[in-house]
Amino acid sequence: GIQVEQSPPDLILQEGANSTLRCNFSDSVNNLQWFHQNPWGQLINLFYIPSGTKQNGRLSATTVATERYSLLYISSSQTTDSGVYFCANQAGTALIFGKGTTLSVS
Amino acid sequence: DAGITQSPRYKITETGRQVTLMCHQTWSHSYMFWYRQDLGHGLRLIYYSAAADITDKGEVPDGYVVSRSKTENFPLTLESATRSQTSVYFCASSDSQGHYSSGYTFGSGTRLTVV
Repeated sequence: GIQVEQSPPDLILQEGANSTLRCNFSDSVNNLQWFHQNPWGQLINLFYIPSGTKQNGRLSATTVATERYSLLYISSSQTTDSGVYFCANQAGTALIFGKGTTLSVS
Repeated sequence: DAGITQSPRYKITETGRQVTLMCHQTWSHSYMFWYRQDLGHGLRLIYYSAAADITDKGEVPDGYVVSRSKTENFPLTLESATRSQTSVYFCASSDSQGHYSSGYTFGSGTRLTVV
């Protein structure tokens, strides 16, 4: 089946630092999405980004479908950015999730 | 309130008991999904539904039953709960298969413990 690999698995940052999270796919990119799971467990949809680049405040995402990867950029990180970041790729009807990157900002 | 709501938020049940987790959405989204989240496994799809009365299995369907008699509701039933079903369960909805302009929206989750 489709594999979704995320890196790094864990990331520790000081406030104000920038970071890049990566997602690699074993199959074609379809309806790629990025999610943030906050420390209370809520899953928030950050980006729907099957290709190209999108920006939302301090966050931006880029998907290069031809090379089967996507990047999530976090600039000037804040403590509220802490949590787990998931990327997900569509397989058939449903999304297949990576195992996530756990980000801690202090 | 508009959105997707799950109930209960927390549930403790005994092995062998039947338990139903509820999911309700107010957007009239066609697609609804149930995922479970476990340490080391991320989110895994249990069942999904493309419309009322249409359901299909996901990656880990064994031990679960779903129904969708109305578009807005998608309950998940554990017929005979086992300890391996201790997990956090998330319901999600989306507006269409081919164009996720807004992507998935998730409920707040149900933390289920089977003792």
